[in-house]
Amino acid sequence: NAGVTQTPKFQVLKTGQSMTLQCAQDMNHEYMSWYRQDPGMGLRLIHYSVGAGITDQGEVPNGYNVSRSTTEDFPLRLLSAAPSQTSVYFCASSQAWGLLVVTFGSGTRLTVV
Amino acid sequence: KQEVTQIPAALSVPEGENLVLNCSFTDSAIYNLQWFRQDPGKGLTSLLLIQSSQREQTSGRLNASLDKSSGRSTLYIAASQPGDSATYLCAVSGQGGSEKLVFGKGTKLTVNP
Repeated sequence: NAGVTQTPKFQVLKTGQSMTLQCAQDMNHEYMSWYRQDPGMGLRLIHYSVGAGITDQGEVPNGYNVSRSTTEDFPLRLLSAAPSQTSVYFCASSQAWGLLVVTFGSGTRLTVV
Repeated sequence: KQEVTQIPAALSVPEGENLVLNCSFTDSAIYNLQWFRQDPGKGLTSLLLIQSSQREQTSGRLNASLDKSSGRSTLYIAASQPGDSATYLCAVSGQGGSEKLVFGKGTKLTVNP
């Protein structure tokens, strides 16, 4: 089915470990974004991309890296996990023109111990 | 900095009631406004998108209005059903496009049979 696919769905990390959250979309969307959702804080933008090779920081980028080598993929890397990065992470995508309806993935629930 | 507020934070109604969810934003220079639904442990599903030049959008029992000059939007749900129980999120995009959404914290709706 067309949409945004995130893997893994659940992950437990130890403090200091690194990992990559995967995000792929098959709708040929130019725009892709990463958000984190925390209780009482809502969804906040981490990083975003307006096309292959172009990325920029959002509201809460510290501790995360991204790259966009293809239109389809937008991985999020945690360099050295901290308990403050315990959260639910959502990837989203949309076209660069028209209605700009945003499609979200089902999320990755990350726990850092 | 754009800020989005949703009132109330939680709402409990009996089945069949018509209800209104509110969303306000501080910067009227938006490109569009989207309403999403989020079920527990799930991703976000787009319900309605209103372009900044539009006043309202309708989909089935849902109607969303936008008053850009006053920084307000409402989501009207007619004849509520238990299946409508979920968290409803409002998000605005700036002039750049939908790669950067600013979200409210949501309204948790419970429809009692």
